[in-house]
Amino acid sequence: GIQVEQSPPDLILQEGANSTLRCNFSDSVNNLQWFHQNPWGQLINLFYIPSGTKQNGRLSATTVATERYSLLYISSSQTTDSGVYFCAVGRGRDDKIIFGKGTRLHILP
Amino acid sequence: GAGVSQSPSNKVTEKGKDVELRCDPISGHTALYWYRQSLGQGLEFLIYFQGNSAPDKSGLPSDRFSAERTGGSVSTLTIQRTQQEDSAVYLCASSWPGTGIYEQYFGPGTRLTVT
Repeated sequence: GIQVEQSPPDLILQEGANSTLRCNFSDSVNNLQWFHQNPWGQLINLFYIPSGTKQNGRLSATTVATERYSLLYISSSQTTDSGVYFCAVGRGRDDKIIFGKGTRLHILP
Repeated sequence: GAGVSQSPSNKVTEKGKDVELRCDPISGHTALYWYRQSLGQGLEFLIYFQGNSAPDKSGLPSDRFSAERTGGSVSTLTIQRTQQEDSAVYLCASSWPGTGIYEQYFGPGTRLTVT
């Protein structure tokens, strides 16, 4: 099956810093999402981005489908950005969606 | 509209008992997924329902686990003869791939503790 690798596994930053999280996948996909899991365990949709670039406030994401990776950028980090960021991919309507192991982000005040 | 709901939010059970976990997807969503998340770990795929197609059960860890989806809507995940290693948060998600967009929406999860 498709493999999803996220890096780095852990990231500790000072408030105000910028960060880049990476998601590599082993096969062509037509479904890619980024999620943020908050400290209460709720998974929050950040981006649905099987290709291209999107921005939402301080967050943006780029997926280069031909090279099988996606990047999530967080600018001017805030302590509320702390949590685990997951990438999830799938190959289509009849295919399950697989998650990476996540990047645990700690933003220090 | 309402999001994905799951019940119960917490379940404590004794080893060897059976448990049923419920998921109500977003109305109209034809795809439904179950995942399991152990403490501090990622999401482990369990089972995927898409419309009237046969479910993808490839992630179920043993034959003690089963799931049904009645009427293309509500789903129940059943764990028989629970073991301590079954303790985890069980997450349900739904999506509507009708337009070729497969964006998942997650419920709040059921925290299962087996004592």
